Amino acid sequence: NAGVTQTPKFQVLKTGQSMTLQCAQDMNHEYMSWYRQDPGMGLRLIHYSVGAGITDQGEVPNGYNVSRSTTEDFPLRLLSAAPSQTSVYFCASSTGGLAEAFFGQGTRLTVV
Amino acid sequence: AQSVTQLGSHVSVSEGALVLLRCNYSSSVPPYLFWYVQYPNQGLQLLLKYTTGATLVKGINGFEAEFKKSETSFHLTKPSAHMSDAAEYFCAVSDGGGFKTIFGAGTRLFVKA
Repeated sequence: NAGVTQTPKFQVLKTGQSMTLQCAQDMNHEYMSWYRQDPGMGLRLIHYSVGAGITDQGEVPNGYNVSRSTTEDFPLRLLSAAPSQTSVYFCASSTGGLAEAFFGQGTRLTVV
Repeated sequence: AQSVTQLGSHVSVSEGALVLLRCNYSSSVPPYLFWYVQYPNQGLQLLLKYTTGATLVKGINGFEAEFKKSETSFHLTKPSAHMSDAAEYFCAVSDGGGFKTIFGAGTRLFVKA
């Protein structure tokens, strides 16, 4: 019963490097989203998707790209990492509507 | 636009005491409200949610919350705190789409023996 799986759990990047955070869910959920969690700021929505091939921006999309080629996967790409992107990133999925969101364990990213 | 304000970034209670975590929301449409809990180094998990109907909502681990439209509040309570309740709690509001959930800044609950 995997649920939402995020990889890697930890990552250190140098400024200017690019990388992809992976997110996969095995619950056949249509809705998936990415959040970043920073102290005192709660979770802020970066991007979300309502189904394969459909994505949209959340509150803080700058510096991040997403795509959704399959129902299961929703990777988050950092194009050119900056220290301001140091954060804990969470992927979530749900069936949409009024359903709860299921969260992955998070990826702790440090940009130096 | 929707927003959530959690009053108090840290709350400390004694074991066995009442837990009260405060949440106020702003929404231009009928809100759907959630409380999530996050244990150290874990993702978030749902405690309870309000959609429609009964305004007093019961969740897991003995928590409950009451939706008060006139006060735009959705405070979380538990009659008797347990050490295992120590965690961070997030209030959230959704427009019903489920995927654009807005979270509050979180309240960290400390439970003293």
